[in-house]
Order: sequence, then C-alpha cells, then structure tokens
Amino acid sequence: QVQLQESGPGLVKPSGTLSLTCAVSGGSISVSHWWTWVRQPPGKGLEWIGEIYHSGATNYSPSLKSRVAISVDQSKNQFSLRLNSVTAADTAVYYCARNYGDSEGDWLDPWGQGTLVIVSS
Amino acid sequence: SSELTQDPAVSVALGQTVRITCQGDSLRSYYASWYQQKPGQAPVFVIFDKNRRPSGIPDRFSGSSSGNTASLTITGAQAEDEADYYCHSRDSSDNHGVFGGGTKLTVL
Repeated sequence: QVQLQESGPGLVKPSGTLSLTCAVSGGSISVSHWWTWVRQPPGKGLEWIGEIYHSGATNYSPSLKSRVAISVDQSKNQFSLRLNSVTAADTAVYYCARNYGDSEGDWLDPWGQGTLVIVSS
Repeated sequence: SSELTQDPAVSVALGQTVRITCQGDSLRSYYASWYQQKPGQAPVFVIFDKNRRPSGIPDRFSGSSSGNTASLTITGAQAEDEADYYCHSRDSSDNHGVFGGGTKLTVL
C-alpha cells in the first residue's frame, strides 16, 4: 500500500525559503493521481496549498500562488514543496497526500505523518 | 466563492446520531470528502460522497449532499469518534482545493 513521508528542515529563518520533500513508497508517483500539499498552523485548521500531476502540471491556492512552487521527480518517486519569503504565519505542520479524483470531486488518501516547520530567527 | 463553512463545535451523546454540516458554493458542483483528525495525528480520510469509504472506516459513517450543503452523519457515535472533522471540496473556478474550518465533535 502507498505510504508518504515528508522530510525537510524543521526551522527556517524569516524571509527565507521553506523546502520540503514527500517520498512515495509502495507505489509509483507516475500514475493517474494528483499529489497534494496541505498545512496546519498550530491549533488551527487545514489549509490546501497546491497539487502536482506526474507530468508536472500544477494547481495552487490563490492565497499562496505568488510564493509557492511544487515540483516532481519521477526518478526518485517524490515531489517537493518550496515556499519563499516565509514569515511566522507560515509556521505549521506540513502534510503531503495523494489525491483521488473524478468528475464528481476528489479526496485525499493516504496522508503522510506531517512535519512541523517553524519560522523563526 | 471557494469558502466552506462548518460549525466550530458539535456534541452528541454516546450511541446517538450526529450530523456535521459543510456549506459552500463549490458543493453545488462537487461532492465533499470528509477527514477525521485526532490530537497529534494526521488527518484520516473518512468518506466521499454518500458511501465511498476506505477500508477500516465503520459504516456508521455516511455522507449526503443537497444543494450547497454536504453532511457527515455518524449513526451511533462512539467515544473513539471524538475528533476534529474537516470537509474538503474543489473550487471549479480556479481549480484548487479548499477545506472547511473544521468541527470539533465531543461525545458525551
């Protein structure tokens, strides 16, 4: 069964760039799914960040679009998130997830365990 | 609008039925999916549409949809169902995902 694992620095300086990778195991990233990033600030709700298809096509949250980039590396079976010009408001647990979808909608399953990123000097 | 609105908190007596709702314009075009999150854990996919559930999710969880409102119903709530629940859908105008603000379910 497919499993996802996030990795990356747990501490990023203000105005710097947050970079995370999601490793996919138990299945190929090059299948007919979108792969998604979601975040959750401490004590708050879930926020959808963006998604990527294995071809490289992307969709981003309008509120983050100017600062975010998601890429895919099929050879390594992983996809990555970059968020630049970070502030304390970007402190959150970051999750990656696989997106199942059809014309009626979509759902996210499974999810990675999440990784906490703190923005602080 | 791409917003999804949920009640912040709902409570239910043990063994009773509870409905958690999610409202938003995108739900007129797409079904909602629902996620359960317990403290310190990643969200878990519970259900999509009426009954598309992953294995391991009890059939006491069901979904429904009408107009701009989606609902998650737990029939015979158990103590282990106490958690935060989030709805999710897609905004067709910009083709991006969106979550509701979450509902904290307390089982009394």
